[in-house]
Amino acid sequence: RKEVEQDPGPFNVPEGATVAFNCTYSNSASQSFFWYRQDCRKEPKLLMSVYSSGNEDGRFTAQLNRASQYISLLIRDSKLSDSATYLCVVSSGSARQLTFGSGTQLTVLP
Amino acid sequence: GAVVSQHPSRVICKSGTSVKIECRSLDFQATTMFWYRQFPKQSLMLMATSNEGSKATYEQGVEKDKFLINHASLTLSTLTVTSAHPEDSSFYICSARLGALYNEQFFGPGTRLTVL
Repeated sequence: RKEVEQDPGPFNVPEGATVAFNCTYSNSASQSFFWYRQDCRKEPKLLMSVYSSGNEDGRFTAQLNRASQYISLLIRDSKLSDSATYLCVVSSGSARQLTFGSGTQLTVLP
Repeated sequence: GAVVSQHPSRVICKSGTSVKIECRSLDFQATTMFWYRQFPKQSLMLMATSNEGSKATYEQGVEKDKFLINHASLTLSTLTVTSAHPEDSSFYICSARLGALYNEQFFGPGTRLTVL
């Protein structure tokens, strides 16, 4: 079983749509959780951290359920520029190493 | 935000040669840097954790004699792919962390290695 599992997609949605991504992780001792986005042939960039209380940044809302070891990302009113691969990332261990999910590809269509 | 650079951005080499990739933190000191590899349509896989002034810690399955890591200063870590083969062709990305108490890693732009 992979440490971090995501639906690979692809998700093709029209502009303005709401889209949700899900992720599960296997290490119950994981400490921190993130969503990164990666554009084609570029490095990943931090989108937002994820907290148990849930957090929102503009059109993006992230949720964490530690009991279920489940993380989600909701994108509202999607824009063409949201097209990217979204990576669910979990931090664990004394060195706080990051473990990346395989990513979910999103294409927002005009 | 903190900036991490990598050099070169792209390299093409013949099989059997060695390739050195540099990772620099430009505006902060990084006690810990990480090296990742990403194959096409796959996610980033951690190769090793590099600590300034000490030996790198390699992930299971990563050959330390093939992927030499040197973290000689607080702003520079290097990865040398020795005797490169076509199967080593990949996107190599480094990241740096501000300090032990910080979770966020800042990523370099990556180095695309093609071994012919």
